[in-house]
Amino acid sequence: EVQLVESGGTVVQPGGSLRLSCAASGFTFSNFAMTWVRQAPGKGLEWVAGLTSSGKTAYYADSVRGRFSISRDNSKSTLFLQMNSLRADDSAVYYCAKDVVPDDYVWVFDFWGQGTPVTVSS
Amino acid sequence: EIVLTQSPATLSLSPGERATLSCRASQSVSTYLAWYQQKPGQAPRLLFYDAFNRATGIPARFSGSGSGTDFTLTITSLEPEDIGVYYCQQRRGWPLTFGGGTKVQIK
Repeated sequence: EVQLVESGGTVVQPGGSLRLSCAASGFTFSNFAMTWVRQAPGKGLEWVAGLTSSGKTAYYADSVRGRFSISRDNSKSTLFLQMNSLRADDSAVYYCAKDVVPDDYVWVFDFWGQGTPVTVSS
Repeated sequence: EIVLTQSPATLSLSPGERATLSCRASQSVSTYLAWYQQKPGQAPRLLFYDAFNRATGIPARFSGSGSGTDFTLTITSLEPEDIGVYYCQQRRGWPLTFGGGTKVQIK
Protein backbone atom coordinates (compact mmCIF):
# COMPACT_ATOMS: atom_id res chain seq x y z
CA GLU A 1 0.00 0.00 0.00
CA VAL A 2 1.36 3.39 -1.00
CA GLN A 3 1.86 5.70 1.96
CA LEU A 4 3.16 9.25 2.16
CA VAL A 5 3.57 10.72 5.63
CA GLU A 6 4.51 14.36 6.00
CA SER A 7 6.05 15.80 9.13
CA GLY A 8 7.80 18.90 10.38
CA GLY A 9 4.98 21.40 10.23
CA THR A 10 4.67 23.76 13.19
CA VAL A 11 4.27 27.39 14.18
CA VAL A 12 7.23 29.56 13.14
CA GLN A 13 7.91 33.29 13.28
CA PRO A 14 8.10 35.42 10.13
CA GLY A 15 11.59 35.25 8.69
CA GLY A 16 12.19 31.84 10.22
CA SER A 17 13.05 28.51 8.64
CA LEU A 18 11.48 25.07 8.63
CA ARG A 19 12.24 21.73 7.03
CA LEU A 20 9.40 19.45 6.04
CA SER A 21 9.82 15.73 5.43
CA CYS A 22 7.73 13.22 3.55
CA ALA A 23 8.37 9.55 4.27
CA ALA A 24 7.31 7.26 1.44
CA SER A 25 6.56 3.55 1.45
CA GLY A 26 4.75 0.95 -0.63
CA PHE A 27 6.39 1.86 -3.94
CA THR A 28 9.84 2.26 -5.46
CA PHE A 29 10.43 5.85 -4.41
CA SER A 30 13.52 6.35 -6.57
CA ASN A 31 11.49 5.74 -9.74
CA PHE A 32 9.01 8.58 -9.28
CA ALA A 33 9.05 12.35 -9.54
CA MET A 34 7.66 13.99 -6.42
CA THR A 35 6.06 17.29 -5.60
CA TRP A 36 4.88 19.60 -2.81
CA VAL A 37 1.49 21.30 -2.99
CA ARG A 38 0.07 23.62 -0.35
CA GLN A 39 -3.38 24.76 0.66
CA ALA A 40 -3.98 27.85 2.73
CA PRO A 41 -6.92 27.69 5.16
CA GLY A 42 -10.18 27.75 3.21
CA LYS A 43 -8.36 28.22 -0.09
CA GLY A 44 -7.53 26.17 -3.15
CA LEU A 45 -4.49 24.12 -4.09
CA GLU A 46 -1.18 25.81 -4.96
CA TRP A 47 1.71 23.87 -6.48
CA VAL A 48 4.96 24.71 -4.69
CA ALA A 49 7.85 22.62 -6.03
CA GLY A 50 8.63 19.46 -7.97
CA LEU A 51 11.67 17.20 -8.22
CA THR A 52 12.64 14.56 -10.73
CA SER A 53 13.23 10.98 -9.61
CA SER A 54 17.01 11.36 -9.63
CA GLY A 55 16.86 14.61 -7.71
CA LYS A 56 18.83 16.39 -10.40
CA THR A 57 16.15 18.79 -11.64
CA ALA A 58 13.87 20.91 -9.47
CA TYR A 59 11.07 23.25 -10.37
CA TYR A 60 9.56 26.01 -8.22
CA ALA A 61 6.58 28.32 -8.09
CA ASP A 62 7.56 31.96 -8.45
CA SER A 63 6.18 32.65 -4.98
CA VAL A 64 8.79 30.42 -3.33
CA ARG A 65 11.76 30.44 -5.71
CA GLY A 66 14.90 31.53 -3.90
CA ARG A 67 13.39 30.83 -0.46
CA PHE A 68 12.37 27.15 -0.65
CA SER A 69 14.46 24.16 -1.71
CA ILE A 70 13.16 20.69 -2.58
CA SER A 71 15.40 17.65 -2.22
CA ARG A 72 15.22 13.91 -1.71
CA ASP A 73 17.12 11.00 -0.22
CA ASN A 74 16.30 7.99 -2.36
CA SER A 75 18.20 5.67 0.00
CA LYS A 76 15.73 6.61 2.74
CA SER A 77 12.64 7.10 0.52
CA THR A 78 12.19 10.59 1.86
CA LEU A 79 11.33 13.91 0.25
CA PHE A 80 12.20 17.24 1.86
CA LEU A 81 11.19 20.87 1.61
CA GLN A 82 13.54 23.40 3.16
CA MET A 83 11.66 26.64 3.73
CA ASN A 84 13.55 29.84 4.55
CA SER A 85 12.52 33.49 4.98
CA LEU A 86 9.01 32.39 5.81
CA ARG A 87 6.15 34.84 5.46
CA ALA A 88 2.61 34.90 6.76
CA ASP A 89 1.27 33.97 3.32
CA ASP A 90 3.27 30.72 3.45
CA SER A 91 0.85 29.49 6.13
CA ALA A 92 -0.86 26.41 4.74
CA VAL A 93 -1.19 22.67 4.89
CA TYR A 94 1.69 21.22 2.88
CA TYR A 95 1.08 18.01 0.97
CA CYS A 96 3.63 15.78 -0.72
CA ALA A 97 2.47 13.75 -3.69
CA LYS A 98 3.91 11.22 -6.15
CA ASP A 99 3.82 11.25 -9.92
CA VAL A 100 1.42 8.86 -11.59
CA VAL A 101 4.00 7.29 -13.91
CA PRO A 102 7.37 5.73 -13.00
CA ASP A 103 10.57 6.48 -14.89
CA ASP A 104 8.98 9.47 -16.61
CA TYR A 105 7.81 12.95 -15.66
CA VAL A 106 4.10 13.40 -16.14
CA TRP A 107 3.63 15.88 -13.26
CA VAL A 108 0.21 14.54 -12.34
CA PHE A 109 -0.17 13.13 -8.85
CA ASP A 110 -1.99 9.95 -7.91
CA PHE A 111 -1.13 9.57 -4.23
CA TRP A 112 -1.02 12.32 -1.65
CA GLY A 113 -0.11 12.42 2.00
CA GLN A 114 -2.48 13.81 4.61
CA GLY A 115 -0.50 17.01 4.89
CA THR A 116 1.41 18.86 7.60
CA PRO A 117 0.28 22.31 8.77
CA VAL A 118 2.63 25.28 8.76
CA THR A 119 1.68 28.50 10.51
CA VAL A 120 3.84 31.58 10.14
CA SER A 121 2.96 34.00 12.87
CA SER A 122 4.59 36.14 15.55
CA GLU B 1 1.83 31.31 -16.25
CA ILE B 2 -1.18 29.37 -17.49
CA VAL B 3 -4.29 30.43 -15.61
CA LEU B 4 -7.10 27.91 -15.15
CA THR B 5 -10.61 29.26 -14.54
CA GLN B 6 -13.22 26.87 -13.19
CA SER B 7 -16.94 27.35 -13.32
CA PRO B 8 -19.31 27.41 -11.67
CA ALA B 9 -17.83 28.16 -8.27
CA THR B 10 -20.57 26.13 -6.59
CA LEU B 11 -22.90 23.50 -7.98
CA SER B 12 -25.96 22.40 -6.00
CA LEU B 13 -27.72 19.36 -7.39
CA SER B 14 -30.00 16.57 -6.26
CA PRO B 15 -28.86 12.94 -6.17
CA GLY B 16 -29.17 11.36 -9.61
CA GLU B 17 -28.75 14.63 -11.49
CA ARG B 18 -26.02 15.28 -14.01
CA ALA B 19 -23.13 17.52 -12.94
CA THR B 20 -21.11 19.42 -15.51
CA LEU B 21 -17.93 21.18 -14.34
CA SER B 22 -15.88 23.43 -16.59
CA CYS B 23 -12.18 24.32 -16.66
CA ARG B 24 -10.91 26.93 -19.10
CA ALA B 25 -7.20 27.59 -19.71
CA SER B 26 -5.73 30.99 -20.59
CA GLN B 27 -3.80 29.32 -23.41
CA SER B 28 -3.81 25.91 -25.02
CA VAL B 29 -2.70 23.05 -22.77
CA SER B 30 -3.34 20.43 -25.48
CA THR B 31 -4.80 17.53 -23.46
CA TYR B 32 -2.40 17.96 -20.53
CA LEU B 33 -5.11 18.53 -17.99
CA ALA B 34 -5.93 16.57 -14.84
CA TRP B 35 -8.90 16.56 -12.48
CA TYR B 36 -8.85 16.00 -8.72
CA GLN B 37 -11.57 15.58 -6.11
CA GLN B 38 -11.05 16.81 -2.56
CA LYS B 39 -13.55 15.74 0.06
CA PRO B 40 -13.81 17.74 3.30
CA GLY B 41 -10.83 17.12 5.57
CA GLN B 42 -9.08 14.87 3.06
CA ALA B 43 -6.20 15.08 0.63
CA PRO B 44 -6.96 15.45 -3.07
CA ARG B 45 -7.68 12.34 -5.12
CA LEU B 46 -6.74 12.02 -8.78
CA LEU B 47 -9.73 11.44 -11.08
CA PHE B 48 -8.37 11.92 -14.61
CA TYR B 49 -5.13 12.85 -16.29
CA ASP B 50 -4.45 13.96 -19.84
CA ALA B 51 -8.07 15.03 -20.12
CA PHE B 52 -9.80 11.69 -20.23
CA ASN B 53 -7.56 8.95 -18.79
CA ARG B 54 -9.41 7.66 -15.75
CA ALA B 55 -7.29 7.02 -12.67
CA THR B 56 -7.45 3.69 -10.87
CA GLY B 57 -10.69 3.02 -9.03
CA ILE B 58 -12.63 5.99 -10.35
CA PRO B 59 -16.28 5.07 -11.02
CA ALA B 60 -17.62 5.07 -14.55
CA ARG B 61 -20.15 7.81 -13.74
CA PHE B 62 -17.21 10.23 -13.93
CA SER B 63 -15.91 11.26 -17.34
CA GLY B 64 -13.44 13.83 -18.62
CA SER B 65 -13.29 15.52 -21.98
CA GLY B 66 -11.85 18.47 -23.84
CA SER B 67 -8.67 19.75 -25.43
CA GLY B 68 -6.94 23.03 -26.07
CA THR B 69 -8.48 25.55 -23.68
CA ASP B 70 -11.87 24.05 -22.76
CA PHE B 71 -12.34 21.00 -20.57
CA THR B 72 -15.29 19.34 -18.87
CA LEU B 73 -15.70 16.94 -15.99
CA THR B 74 -19.07 15.22 -16.01
CA ILE B 75 -20.74 13.18 -13.29
CA THR B 76 -23.62 11.46 -15.06
CA SER B 77 -25.65 10.62 -11.93
CA LEU B 78 -24.62 12.43 -8.76
CA GLU B 79 -24.15 10.32 -5.64
CA PRO B 80 -24.09 11.76 -2.09
CA GLU B 81 -20.44 10.70 -1.71
CA ASP B 82 -19.47 12.91 -4.66
CA ILE B 83 -19.66 16.07 -2.55
CA GLY B 84 -16.44 18.02 -2.32
CA VAL B 85 -14.30 20.45 -4.28
CA TYR B 86 -13.07 19.55 -7.74
CA TYR B 87 -9.85 21.02 -9.12
CA CYS B 88 -8.27 20.98 -12.55
CA GLN B 89 -4.48 21.11 -13.01
CA GLN B 90 -2.39 21.68 -16.13
CA ARG B 91 1.02 20.17 -16.85
CA ARG B 92 1.56 21.89 -20.21
CA GLY B 93 3.93 24.51 -18.83
CA TRP B 94 5.83 25.66 -15.75
CA PRO B 95 4.74 26.51 -13.20
CA LEU B 96 2.15 23.81 -12.78
CA THR B 97 -1.14 25.49 -11.96
CA PHE B 98 -4.48 24.54 -10.45
CA GLY B 99 -7.88 26.03 -11.05
CA GLY B 100 -9.73 27.71 -8.22
CA GLY B 101 -12.09 24.78 -7.75
CA THR B 102 -15.77 23.97 -8.09
CA LYS B 103 -17.62 23.00 -4.94
CA VAL B 104 -20.25 20.30 -5.50
CA GLN B 105 -22.95 20.03 -2.89
CA ILE B 106 -26.16 18.10 -2.56
CA LYS B 107 -29.35 20.10 -2.76
